[in-house]
Amino acid sequence: GDSVTQMEGPVTLSEEAFLTINCTYTATGYPSLFWYVQYPGEGLQLLLKATKADDKGSNKGFEATYRKETTSFHLEKGSVQVSDSAVYFCALTGRSNDYKLSFGAGTTVTVRA
Amino acid sequence: GAGVSQSPRYKVAKRGQDVALRCDPISGHVSLFWYQQALGQGPEFLTYFQNEAQLDKSGLPSDRFFAERPEGSVSTLKIQRTQQEDSAVYLCASSLAGSYNSPLHFGNGTRLTVT
Repeated sequence: GDSVTQMEGPVTLSEEAFLTINCTYTATGYPSLFWYVQYPGEGLQLLLKATKADDKGSNKGFEATYRKETTSFHLEKGSVQVSDSAVYFCALTGRSNDYKLSFGAGTTVTVRA
Repeated sequence: GAGVSQSPRYKVAKRGQDVALRCDPISGHVSLFWYQQALGQGPEFLTYFQNEAQLDKSGLPSDRFFAERPEGSVSTLKIQRTQQEDSAVYLCASSLAGSYNSPLHFGNGTRLTVT
């Protein structure tokens, strides 16, 4: 079935450092890809998405590009802030059941001032 | 504005007890989802409603799990004869429509601990 594998954490960075969280997927056909974020004490929320190959999703300074050839959707941010400390989840929906999200295990990111 | 509301926030149950978890979706949202998140893991799909119809319950782990949404609004996830492996955070989410194009709004979850 469809699945997502993402980089294990935890990841600890200093402010203004570059962040990459790797995500690869296995799916039949062409899934839609997502990054969700969970800030401390809050519910999961959509960070960005891409629905077809070579699409780039972006939001709040984060970017991820849908790479069909490498089945990847790595999350990047050029200069992190303390407020980016959160748990990040890579996820996909398959074409046949496009309402059902399959999540990775999550990566905890802590940014130190 | 009101988001997705779940209650209770925390529930402790003795093994063998029945529990009921409630979800109030955003008003007007047609689709409602339940996910189970074990400690240190990503959420796992349990079930999906469109209005009052349960269109997919393939993720429910056993017949001890039952979900309903009788009037197409509030939903209840019931777990009978709870087991320790049921300990997890149960997340509810709603959206205007059911496809990937319709953003999901998640509640803060109910943390269930079975002792």
